[in-house]
Amino acid sequence: QVQLQQWGVGLLKSSETLSLTCAVYGGSFSGYYWSWIRQSPEKGLEWVGEITHSGSTYYNPSLNSRVTMSIDTSKNQFSLNLSSVTAADTAIYYCARRPRNSWFDPWGQGTLVTVSS
Amino acid sequence: EIVLTQSPATLSFSPGERATLSCRASQSVGSSLAWYQHKAGQAPRLLISDASNRATGIPARFSGSGSGTDFTLTISSLEPEDFAVYYCQQRSNWPLTFGGGTEVEVK
Repeated sequence: QVQLQQWGVGLLKSSETLSLTCAVYGGSFSGYYWSWIRQSPEKGLEWVGEITHSGSTYYNPSLNSRVTMSIDTSKNQFSLNLSSVTAADTAIYYCARRPRNSWFDPWGQGTLVTVSS
Repeated sequence: EIVLTQSPATLSFSPGERATLSCRASQSVGSSLAWYQHKAGQAPRLLISDASNRATGIPARFSGSGSGTDFTLTISSLEPEDFAVYYCQQRSNWPLTFGGGTEVEVK
């Protein structure tokens, strides 16, 4: 049974860079999109982007210029960096697995990231 | 970007009642739509894939229907653990998008 465990800094100041990492336990790392999704009261659930095991990335155009995702196949981990954060980036960030042509399942436990001015 | 509209934002039911939730897409997504259940403090859970297929382990009281632009999630008889927020999501076009969610609350 695949489990995703995520971690990262939960409190940032405006203009700093958000960094989160998600570790994958109990399943294959290849053949999937490894995704980040965030949830805020203002926007609900928002797809941030995803990365394949070979390092191909797909970002939400609304965040494209600030998002970088990376993957470490030796550790079965993938990461999210979001630069120049503002209060609008305050959200719960989830990592998730998405098989090709399929859906987000499972999800990580979520990390609350708060951006203060 | 495909916009998914879920309305109303909140529905109130008593346990045992039938709940019907709606999701409308701004353009056709075929059957490329899923439903998720989200409870506070927990990770969202996949309920329905490809508009009408129950995910592994999902009780039979959950069903999905629709295609193109109009989709429905039905809970045939609400159990206490079903009171939560439900989101639809499409993967027909990039970027992947979610609806705004419908909260199913206790009347």
